Amino acid sequence: EDQVTQSPEALRLQEGESSSLNCSYTVSGLRGLFWYRQDPGKGPEFLFTLYSAGEEKEKERLKATLTKKESFLHITAPKPEDSATYLCAVQMGAQKLVFGQGTRLTINP
Amino acid sequence: DSGVTQTPKHLITATGQRVTLRCSPRSGDLSVYWYQQSLDQGLQFLIQYYNGEERAKGNILERFSAQQFPDLHSELNLSSLELGDSALYFCASSVASLADTQYFGPGTRLTVL
Repeated sequence: EDQVTQSPEALRLQEGESSSLNCSYTVSGLRGLFWYRQDPGKGPEFLFTLYSAGEEKEKERLKATLTKKESFLHITAPKPEDSATYLCAVQMGAQKLVFGQGTRLTINP
Repeated sequence: DSGVTQTPKHLITATGQRVTLRCSPRSGDLSVYWYQQSLDQGLQFLIQYYNGEERAKGNILERFSAQQFPDLHSELNLSSLELGDSALYFCASSVASLADTQYFGPGTRLTVL
């Protein structure tokens, strides 16, 4: 069965303390891997799309990387406003996205 | 702002009732997707429409149905509501279909009492 697993479930960092979030997947025929940020009660906000192993994308303090079996979202020198739930999703042969359960990130000032 | 709009923002209703959620996709997007998000299940894909036609189905209950109209807006109809249907319902849209980035709306929070 196609599966997406995110770790850790929750992460608490101090402002400026860099770290990485993991998204591992067991799917066949990966067409794309997507990262979203979601604030409580809001819709997921698109961050990155990765299509092939070795690909990297950057945006401000965030950098997403992709291998054949997992993706990492690296956050460098985070600020309190980076606190949110980060969702990973994969798209296989069908059009639907399969989401992981998310990593709840808290940045303390 | 993703450009995807959803109405209403909040909906409170009773068990056994029927409700309709509405979604307008981003300008130029042909695909509309519906997702359900509950605390214990995370984001679950329900159904996709592309240019008016159903394209893919996920874990959508028989009590739920959807359609996409000629102007590309979509409606999700939920009937015979149960307490367990209480959740956030999101609509997303994309330009086409395969491997396209999906942009999400702000969601409709449904509470069934």
